[in-house]
Amino acid sequence: AQSVSQHNHHVILSEAASLELGCNYSYGGTVNLFWYVQYPGQHLQLLLKYFSGDPLVKGIKGFEAEFIKSKFSFNLRKPSVQWSDTAEYFCAVNRDQAGTALIFGKGTTLSVSS
Amino acid sequence: NAGVTQTPKFRVLKTGQSMTLLCAQDMNHEYMYWYRQDPGMGLRLIHYSVGEGTTAKGEVPDGYNVSRLKKQNFLLGLESAAPSQTSVYFCASSVTGGHINSPLHFGNGTRLTVT
Repeated sequence: AQSVSQHNHHVILSEAASLELGCNYSYGGTVNLFWYVQYPGQHLQLLLKYFSGDPLVKGIKGFEAEFIKSKFSFNLRKPSVQWSDTAEYFCAVNRDQAGTALIFGKGTTLSVSS
Repeated sequence: NAGVTQTPKFRVLKTGQSMTLLCAQDMNHEYMYWYRQDPGMGLRLIHYSVGEGTTAKGEVPDGYNVSRLKKQNFLLGLESAAPSQTSVYFCASSVTGGHINSPLHFGNGTRLTVT
């Protein structure tokens, strides 16, 4: 069965700390990878995406993610978090073919204290 | 340009009642999706559609039906609601599948409680 695993359920950091959220998937073949963010009371928004090329992708608000094909991973990173980064983060994957849909991980709640 | 609009925003049902959630998008997107979001479970795909007149099952389709009679609308139906269907439901749309350069656009969600 296809799956997306996010290792951390809840991460608590102080402002300026570095962040890394893990994501692994279990598909073979070519995949498209995404991180979405959901701020409190809002709907999901795209943070960044990878579909080909440079495995290190940069997104909005200083976030980046690295695709490591051999590890089936797409971890999200940010060198220095801010209080406004408090949100829920979702990794999502789909196979690179028409007619498929995006499958999400269970999400990681990030709480940043000022 | 409203994007993706879900109605209603909130609903309380009694076990066994039926209802339909409406999703409308004005971006001429081909693909539309229904997800449910539950604490600790992330978003799980219920059904999706790759174009007008088509539907497909997602991860958790049981207890739900969908229809895509018009390109801009995607309806999610609960024929006989159960407490396990208490959740926040999100509709989304995208230009194409495969999602290359085609991120999902989400609605604001419908909070459904089944007592």
